[in-house]
Amino acid sequence: SQQGEEDPQALSIQEGENATMNCSYKTSINNLQWYRQNSGRGLVHLILIRSNEREKHSGRLRVTLDTSKKSSSLLITASRAADTASYFCATTNQAGTALIFGKGTTLSVSS
Amino acid sequence: ETGVTQSPTHLIKTRGQQVTLRCSSQSGHNTVSWYQQALGQGPQFIFQYYREEENGRGNFPPRFSGLQFPNYSSELNVNALELDDSALYLCASSSLQGGGYTFGSGTRLTVV
Repeated sequence: SQQGEEDPQALSIQEGENATMNCSYKTSINNLQWYRQNSGRGLVHLILIRSNEREKHSGRLRVTLDTSKKSSSLLITASRAADTASYFCATTNQAGTALIFGKGTTLSVSS
Repeated sequence: ETGVTQSPTHLIKTRGQQVTLRCSSQSGHNTVSWYQQALGQGPQFIFQYYREEENGRGNFPPRFSGLQFPNYSSELNVNALELDDSALYLCASSSLQGGGYTFGSGTRLTVV
């Protein structure tokens, strides 16, 4: 079963614009992670936010976490064509042994 | 620091055959996990290995099995291949102390 669900499923923007992706999850979490995947290849870890954190920044990435709403958002500022990829949020199962992914948001940035 | 390496990158097998996929984990990581990703879906957890033993398993049948070796590298074996096994298989290594996972580039398996 999938824990996280990303929204929207697909997003198309112009270079320079900001991109916001949302993730909702079902059960309590210790942390939530965001990954990027280029062209069906391996996933790249972007950022991890712990359950006691509300916001975290890394370069052009900003992640927020609202545990009361069981939701997170990923903001990519000043998007570039190279940001074109699928983005996944992931939580861990209760045992801490597995990442549980949503279906992802496919971001397309055109120049 | 080396990343996670998977081999082969692509593979075509016939229904009913067996396949072995390989993964070398990142230096310093003692835990290896395998995921199956069907087209247009998120990765699904198959199992995790720690200290050469299975440490957790997802909803996959017993014909999916694995090994972890003393150097933390790992194999995924799938017996009696079915058409629905066609997918991208991803290996990820991590430290049990937590934090993010490092994924390999995956093996694209096609079953015909």
